[in-house]
Amino acid sequence: EVKLLESGGGLVQPGGSLRLSCAASGFTFADFYMTWIRQSPGKAPEWLSFIRNKANSYTTEYNPSVKGRFTISRDDTQNVLYLQMNTLRAEDTAIYYCAKHGSHWYYFDYWGQGVMVTVSS
Amino acid sequence: DIVMTQSPSSLAVSGGETVTINCKSSQSLLYSGNQKNYLAWNQQKPGQSPKLLIYWASTRQSGVPDRFIGSGSGTDFTLTISSVQAEDLAIYYCQQYYDTPLTFGSGTKLEIK
Repeated sequence: EVKLLESGGGLVQPGGSLRLSCAASGFTFADFYMTWIRQSPGKAPEWLSFIRNKANSYTTEYNPSVKGRFTISRDDTQNVLYLQMNTLRAEDTAIYYCAKHGSHWYYFDYWGQGVMVTVSS
Repeated sequence: DIVMTQSPSSLAVSGGETVTINCKSSQSLLYSGNQKNYLAWNQQKPGQSPKLLIYWASTRQSGVPDRFIGSGSGTDFTLTISSVQAEDLAIYYCQQYYDTPLTFGSGTKLEIK
């Protein structure tokens, strides 16, 4: 059974930083592209970033809305996906999900349960 | 960016009825190289994370009931739910994966009378 468990969320002040983690199990993590998505209350999901697998050189893509502030990375030895978030703003407040891609395509066949990030003073 | 427009934004139906949800993209999602439409449908039940229902516009994800049917091509797509059940109460989002940034529609909230 595929499981994705996010952690690292919480309350942070504007301008602060946070690193989210996503522990994966139930599939061969190293083979798959992985993504971060967020969802503000009552809004549609917003894709943030994905990272390809080793076979595709761990290349990354970002939504322009977070490019330069957020960094995605992965540790295939520990089956963990990360999202480093810097210079956080109030509008970054949301539930953050990690998701597994369907093979090397860009749809998401499994989502985690999400972790809340609140940016407020 | 590819803009995804869904309609209606909400609807209420009685159990057993058939529901149609529409999704229109601002540019074609049909890739000529493989004749596939890069369109997925996701279901988000109250208090849960989204779940993949359909990809390639019409391929059901494993375990998804066959009352969920995806159709359409190019810029116009439809999710049809036949014989709606109480458990289908959810928000349904279309998502394009033709190009980055990957984008979602604004959602269609399905309520059961």
